Amino acid sequence: DTGVSQNPRHKITKRGQNVTFRCDPISEHNRLYWYRQTLGQGPEFLTYFQNEAQLEKSRLLSDRFSAERPKGSFSTLEIQRTEQGDSAMYLCASSQEGLAALTDFGPGTRLTVT
Amino acid sequence: AQKITQTQPGMFVQEKEAVTLDCTYDTSDPSYGLFWYKQPSSGEMIFLIYQGSYDQQNATEGRYSLNFQKARKSANLVISASQLGDSAMYFCAMRKSGSARQLTFGSGTQLTVLP
Repeated sequence: DTGVSQNPRHKITKRGQNVTFRCDPISEHNRLYWYRQTLGQGPEFLTYFQNEAQLEKSRLLSDRFSAERPKGSFSTLEIQRTEQGDSAMYLCASSQEGLAALTDFGPGTRLTVT
Repeated sequence: AQKITQTQPGMFVQEKEAVTLDCTYDTSDPSYGLFWYKQPSSGEMIFLIYQGSYDQQNATEGRYSLNFQKARKSANLVISASQLGDSAMYFCAMRKSGSARQLTFGSGTQLTVLP
């Protein structure tokens, strides 16, 4: 397995535009997570899927953010009407079930809103 | 709510020396897991070591060991024989059992290994 992959790796957009990121998790992992990381900080949880069901959303996930995981495989994270405060690294991660399950992270998508 | 605290924004260590990175956590749940990740400047998150709340012994993985003091709610990472390649950001994270499956991260410690 090649690990968690994310596309694009970098995205520059103008304020007010919509952007969509894609994440392909490790194939045998049924859990998928999205995190946001700003410079010098730890990743902050955004949302979590178990298979295709979105089971938890952080209050950080405003109504401009939406995530999907159709068929329980890849996932997309869309940000509508981007704001400069959305500039961050968006990390996708996946894991199997279990408290000790290793969470594997993708390389991230760096979003810059100008 | 669970919380992870890393009080050392930056640490320096001489090559080949050992270093301890501090992590304290706050949870009322009896069952939880503690993780350490390394994030080099390239950005990827690299898993280092795991400790379960019911584990009797401190976890070890090669040059990494976890000094787990449950009563103090601390899970410090010890890196022995530091190498230049250990220079990176280090994050402590916790996962609770039950419905919340995501990791909660601390703010990290930037470790610099000096030659």
